[in-house]
Amino acid sequence: DAKTTQPTSMDCAEGRAANLPCNHSTISGNEYVYWYRQIHSQGPQYIIHGLKNNETNEMASLIITEDRKSSTLILPHATLRDTAVYYCIVRVDLFISGNTPLVFGKGTRLSVIA
Amino acid sequence: DTEVTQTPKHLVMGMTNKKSLKCEQHMGHRAMYWYKQKAKKPPELMFVYSYEKLSINESVPSRFSPECPNSSLLNLHLHALQPEDSALYLCASSQEAAGGSYEQYFGPGTRLTVT
Repeated sequence: DAKTTQPTSMDCAEGRAANLPCNHSTISGNEYVYWYRQIHSQGPQYIIHGLKNNETNEMASLIITEDRKSSTLILPHATLRDTAVYYCIVRVDLFISGNTPLVFGKGTRLSVIA
Repeated sequence: DTEVTQTPKHLVMGMTNKKSLKCEQHMGHRAMYWYKQKAKKPPELMFVYSYEKLSINESVPSRFSPECPNSSLLNLHLHALQPEDSALYLCASSQEAAGGSYEQYFGPGTRLTVT
């Protein structure tokens, strides 16, 4: 079962920041937070992941609360091409358990509006 | 090259047919995965291969038969499928972990329709 809770859907105006929340209140100390997105009729695409520090890459920023029970994915300047389902996934440190597959929850459907 | 390719893109098959889905990657990844995704649902794991050996089978019916002939190829053989097996079948690959965390790269999927 997925160990995360996300809103079912969100809207964002084009050019504005999209902030997608995720609750993972039962996360363990050795579990990472991953974000993937799936644009309609395509395979999921990796966005970013983190353990406890905030992370940023060319696509997005990941803010993890100090208690690690929730996180927020930030797309700084959303475009129409960012319309997709965004999945927040908790996954154990692979050093602990070996390679573990992703378990997808229902995700958040983000609609970027012109 | 960070691409996972899947063929065919679309497949229509009857319940008595035998067909195969193919997945290929040239990133040197030693873990490969099959996922099934029904309409408006998240992907669900079916199989995991690690170093060409089946490591996880999520209680998938035997009418789905995976095969990993080498480290770059992953096949899914289909036989006697049911209409409810119609779905998007996704292949993914990743490094085999020695530690830390690794992203999975997904292919575009094969959209399967069973008639």
